[in-house]
Amino acid sequence: AQSVTQPDIHITVSEGASLELRCNYSYGATPYLFWYVQSPGQGLQLLLKYFSGDTLVQGIKGFEAEFKRSQSSFNLRKPSVHWSDAAEYFCAVGINNDMRFGAGTRLTVKP
Amino acid sequence: DGGITQSPKYLFRKEGQNVTLSCEQNLNHDAMYWYRQDPGQGLRLIYYSQIVNDFQKGDIAEGYSVSREKKESFPLTVTSAQKNPTAFYLCASRVDRSGQPQHFGDGTRLSIL
Repeated sequence: AQSVTQPDIHITVSEGASLELRCNYSYGATPYLFWYVQSPGQGLQLLLKYFSGDTLVQGIKGFEAEFKRSQSSFNLRKPSVHWSDAAEYFCAVGINNDMRFGAGTRLTVKP
Repeated sequence: DGGITQSPKYLFRKEGQNVTLSCEQNLNHDAMYWYRQDPGQGLRLIYYSQIVNDFQKGDIAEGYSVSREKKESFPLTVTSAQKNPTAFYLCASRVDRSGQPQHFGDGTRLSIL
């Protein structure tokens, strides 16, 4: 079955530490890939997207993500986390005109 | 600035009552979507529309209805048939081409009195 998996429900990191949020997908073909961020009580904001080409994509707010076809993964990374990065992060995949979201990973940042 | 406006921000429903959530976009996007968000479950698609006067059921359409009379507007009605309507509702829109991302409004939180 087609699916998007974010294995980590909740992650806590210290401010200034590096961050990696995991995303795996199960689709027959390589889908379009996205990461969104959601602050409490707000909508989703697009961080970055992958369509094709260079497998390392840069996004807003200092985030980047790497597409690994062999692992069906699209992990989100940030070298140094800021307190304002505390939010929920959603991985999403698009096949044709359909989009499916993972269940989300909640990020807590310790001072 | 272009964007998606959802109103109201908070909405309360009495038992047996229908309520309508508004979604308006000025991005000139053809496709619009309604999602329901519950804690720990991500986003679940309720309805979507790719063109005016046409819409399709998503994964959890029961108890909901929509209309798409104008390109800019895609209101969602939560009917009394929806027995567990308490949730955060998100509207989105996108350019209707393969691979284009969805853009989201700020959501409406619906609660039962």
